[in-house]
Amino acid sequence: ETGVTQSPTHLIKTRGQQVTLRCSSQSGHNTVSWYQQALGQGPQFIFQYYREEENGRGNFPPRFSGLQFPNYSSELNVNALELDDSALYLCASSLVRGSDSPLHFGNGTRLTVT
Amino acid sequence: AQSVTQLGSHVSVSEGALVLLRCNYSSSVPPYLFWYVQYPNQGLQLLLKYTSAATLVKGINGFEAEFKKSETSFHLTKPSAHMSDAAEYFCAVSEGAAGNKLTFGGGTRVLVKP
Repeated sequence: ETGVTQSPTHLIKTRGQQVTLRCSSQSGHNTVSWYQQALGQGPQFIFQYYREEENGRGNFPPRFSGLQFPNYSSELNVNALELDDSALYLCASSLVRGSDSPLHFGNGTRLTVT
Repeated sequence: AQSVTQLGSHVSVSEGALVLLRCNYSSSVPPYLFWYVQYPNQGLQLLLKYTSAATLVKGINGFEAEFKKSETSFHLTKPSAHMSDAAEYFCAVSEGAAGNKLTFGGGTRVLVKP
């Protein structure tokens, strides 16, 4: 079975620009979550999608938005990029929407905002 | 609100020595607790999880963790460190009613000396 894949692996953007990050969930998984991991810190929950609808959101502004597609792949969009958005963005999928359902993480997209 | 505190951002152990990584949590509901490992330039891999069954949880790669409700702790141990254990370790707690959104600690980087 294929794992969680993210693209691109690295990205450099300029402050004020917009960026789209992509994620393919592990086969059979219908829930996807996105996390932001700043350098030297633990990941922070951005939001989760279940059956194409947002199902929980962390403390991130509206310029962070997402989509989940019928094939359960997902996108994270960030508008009006700020320097502090520089981080590793992790996508994670799981089989069911449950508290004890383990997440399977991708290797992340490293975003640098200059 | 939930929170996780990992005591010690860096731990150095000799090969063959005990590995002990500390994690304390705060939760208003019965917690679901996890330990993840992150190798350089990779995503997070689940080591083990506690979901209200046995308080001593065994995971992959010889790691285990003990849930102590009275101490609100979930410390991770491995009897004998191996060079391949060098990585960053994250403790996380999941909210019971809100799906599998994870709140992570700040992480502990483990260095293994030969």
